[in-house]
Amino acid sequence: RKEVEQDPGPFNVPEGATVAFNCTYSNSASQSFFWYRQDCRKEPKLLMSVYSSGNEDGRFTAQLNRASQYISLLIRDSKLSDSATYLCVVERGGFKTIFGAGTRLFVKA
Amino acid sequence: DADVTQTPRNRITKTGKRIMLECSQTKGHDRMYWYRQDPGLGLQLIYYSFDVKDINKGEISDGYSVSRQAQAKFSLSLESAIPNQTALYFCATSEGTGGEETQYFGPGTRLLVL
Repeated sequence: RKEVEQDPGPFNVPEGATVAFNCTYSNSASQSFFWYRQDCRKEPKLLMSVYSSGNEDGRFTAQLNRASQYISLLIRDSKLSDSATYLCVVERGGFKTIFGAGTRLFVKA
Repeated sequence: DADVTQTPRNRITKTGKRIMLECSQTKGHDRMYWYRQDPGLGLQLIYYSFDVKDINKGEISDGYSVSRQAQAKFSLSLESAIPNQTALYFCATSEGTGGEETQYFGPGTRLLVL
């Protein structure tokens, strides 16, 4: 079993839709959590960090559930420009950063 | 100009050849990393360096070596390339202040080993 697992998708949604991705992690010692975005053939870029209290950045909301060991990303009012692969990233102590394989999102007009 | 640059951007080589991928950064970060990305897999850490004198193996270091020539430069070598090293390679940096560490990635090098 992979330490960080994501549904690979693709998720195909119309513009304006709300879409949510989940990511599960297996190591309960994991300390920090992030969502990165990767456009086709480009480098990953940080989208947002994920906190236990939940955090929001515009149309994006991230949540962490430590008890069930998953993080989520909610995108509201999807735009064409949101089409990308979303990478779940989990960091343990002693430097160990694990990247999920990513969830592909296609937003169509 | 980009903060993290990689050269070459694309490379085709033959089995058994030695090649070097280079990474430079202008962010002033202490920490640098090399990853490879294969279709359907997450980024896999090859090597990382917390400063010029500190080099550490990642999860898939076999067949690779690195050199940290300066704070700003971190190169990855494939001593004898093989076809299953065909992948997209990313260099990344982070500040190294501890706690949550945002990583900043270079544009990637596409390597094809024939």
